[in-house]
Amino acid sequence: QSALTQPASVSGSPGQSITISCTGTSTDVENYNLVSWYQHHPGKAPKLMIYDVTKRPSGVSNRFSGSKSGNTASLTISGLQTEDEADYYCCSFAGSSTFVLFGGGTKLTVL
Amino acid sequence: DVKLAESGGGLVKPGGSLRLSCEASGVTFSSSSMTWVRLAPGRGLEWVSYITSGSHYTYYADSVRGRFTISRDNTKNLLYLQMNSLKAEDTGIYYCARDLGQYGHLLDCWGQGTLVTVST
Repeated sequence: QSALTQPASVSGSPGQSITISCTGTSTDVENYNLVSWYQHHPGKAPKLMIYDVTKRPSGVSNRFSGSKSGNTASLTISGLQTEDEADYYCCSFAGSSTFVLFGGGTKLTVL
Repeated sequence: DVKLAESGGGLVKPGGSLRLSCEASGVTFSSSSMTWVRLAPGRGLEWVSYITSGSHYTYYADSVRGRFTISRDNTKNLLYLQMNSLKAEDTGIYYCARDLGQYGHLLDCWGQGTLVTVST
């Protein structure tokens, strides 16, 4: 059960766009359109931002979008705002044996 | 509003046991699959365990299988995590979360977490 692979950190300036990648394998990300993304501000509960690769829950800004190509899913945040600074985690269903995997997390810094 | 509130965390010695609880309110708990996820220092979020709405199916991460047991009481809107043979690497904040889907990845509501520290 290896975690999905994310970059440890990314950064951007207000107004810019950034993309966070999430690399899995043929048994998780590539095999299922069941990837989600969570935003986590330290000390608070994680928040669902994207599910089923591209879907946005009600109330989540349309500046957040998701995509997938092969075994890599991506989260793009456009028009960066200071409040976007947080840790971001991807998550994928990985079959009935492993069930669920999280990525190692990416710290987003808005400069 | 849907609310989840964890309790039961604390300081325990290696080899010890703890039982975490998660109380749900404002949600149809009995029809919701539930998950435990932990935030370990320096390791990020880690999925721990999952239980379907009627307790028919349970799933565990390899790192806790055989030591942890997930259960629920739908009459009391309570989710539990019995943790035995605790190790230092089990230290972290434990969150309960509701899964809106059937695959454990669609966690739309989370509690604030309860801290578990395994140390001598």
